[in-house]
Amino acid sequence: AQSVSQHNHHVILSEAASLELGCNYSYGGTVNLFWYVQYPGQHLQLLLKYFSGDPLVKGIKGFEAEFIKSKFSFNLRKPSVQWSDTAEYFCAVNGGATNKLIFGTGTLLAVQP
Amino acid sequence: DGGITQSPKYLFRKEGQNVTLSCEQNLNHDAMYWYRQDPGQGLRLIYYSQIVNDFQKGDIAEGYSVSREKKESFPLTVTSAQKNPTAFYLCASSITPQANQPQHFGDGTRLSIL
Repeated sequence: AQSVSQHNHHVILSEAASLELGCNYSYGGTVNLFWYVQYPGQHLQLLLKYFSGDPLVKGIKGFEAEFIKSKFSFNLRKPSVQWSDTAEYFCAVNGGATNKLIFGTGTLLAVQP
Repeated sequence: DGGITQSPKYLFRKEGQNVTLSCEQNLNHDAMYWYRQDPGQGLRLIYYSQIVNDFQKGDIAEGYSVSREKKESFPLTVTSAQKNPTAFYLCASSITPQANQPQHFGDGTRLSIL
């Protein structure tokens, strides 16, 4: 069965620290990979996505993620976090013909000023 | 502005009652989805609809029902058969049902069963 694992459930960082959130998936075919973010009091919004091509994808607000097929991973990174990055981050994957997303359990990031 | 509207934001119902959550989109998207979000479990797919008058069960469809009579509307009914209905419910849509289309989400409805 398809699954997505986010190993970091809670992350606390100081401003300007670097961020890397882990995401591993289990799926046997071609996959599409997404990172969504949910800021406090706001709806889920797309941060970045990977379908094909360059495995290093850049998203909004300085975030990037790297697809490493051999490791079944799609880790999210940001060189220097800001207080406004405090949010919950979800990794998601789908494959096949339909848009049935499988989500990870989420990582709650708190950035201290 | 185009978007997805879920109503109400908070909903309280007595145990044993059916309740319907509204989801409307004005994005002209073909596909719509319902997810349930529980603490520590991420989002799980309840039902999805690829086009009007069509819908398919997701991973946790038991105790739920949907309809898709209009392109812009995809209401979810939580029936009394759903054993643990208290949760945060999210509706989403995408331009097409193809797997590479990102989904756009509403603000959610928090359902509490008293």
